[in-house]
Amino acid sequence: SYELTQPPSVSVSPGQTARITCSGDALPKKYAYWFRQKSGQAPVLVIYEDKKRPSGIPERFSGSSSGTMATLTISGAQVEDEADYYCYSKDSSGDHFVFGTGTKVTVL
Amino acid sequence: EVQLVESGGGLVQPGGSLKLSCAASGFTFSGSWMTWVRQAPGKGLEWVANVDQDGSGKYYVDSVKGRFTISRDNAKKSLFLQMNSLTADDTAVYYCAKDRATLDYWGQGTLVTVSS
Repeated sequence: SYELTQPPSVSVSPGQTARITCSGDALPKKYAYWFRQKSGQAPVLVIYEDKKRPSGIPERFSGSSSGTMATLTISGAQVEDEADYYCYSKDSSGDHFVFGTGTKVTVL
Repeated sequence: EVQLVESGGGLVQPGGSLKLSCAASGFTFSGSWMTWVRQAPGKGLEWVANVDQDGSGKYYVDSVKGRFTISRDNAKKSLFLQMNSLTADDTAVYYCAKDRATLDYWGQGTLVTVSS
């Protein structure tokens, strides 16, 4: 079955840049979406269609995609950005979707 | 304001059945794909199923195919997930979400525990 692979953890100091990668064979042809999930809460969309930011999401969140890898960048990470982050995309076979393995971001 | 409210979770024995509901408001429900996502305790998110606007197109993750059925009632602005032949691996918080790709709104989730 299709998989989206993320690093288990990323750790940065406040104000530094955090980059979270998402690797998948279908990404050259499929959009990536990114979700932030804080402890005990429902996920929140932070990036859609590779690089678009929903209203209400701070400008420090940005997305990009090249080849088989999508990247979520948090420029000037803040303590409140500590959370689990998941990429999400469609597989190449049709209408099935998959979440990435998830990345725990620590800002300290 | 968009709201999604799940209900129907609870404790069920292995092999049992449960039907989850998701009540939607604040958007044109009949114009939106809808999705179920689950999260086992301490684990990551898993896409479970989605359904198109009129309920004719339904798609499932392999692990639930043949056991779970997604459906909707556009008149009642409600989404459902009928879960049969439940196993311990189905224990999770189940979320409903608006759309199939963007998933721009989520409910708060409902916990399903499969245990004897």
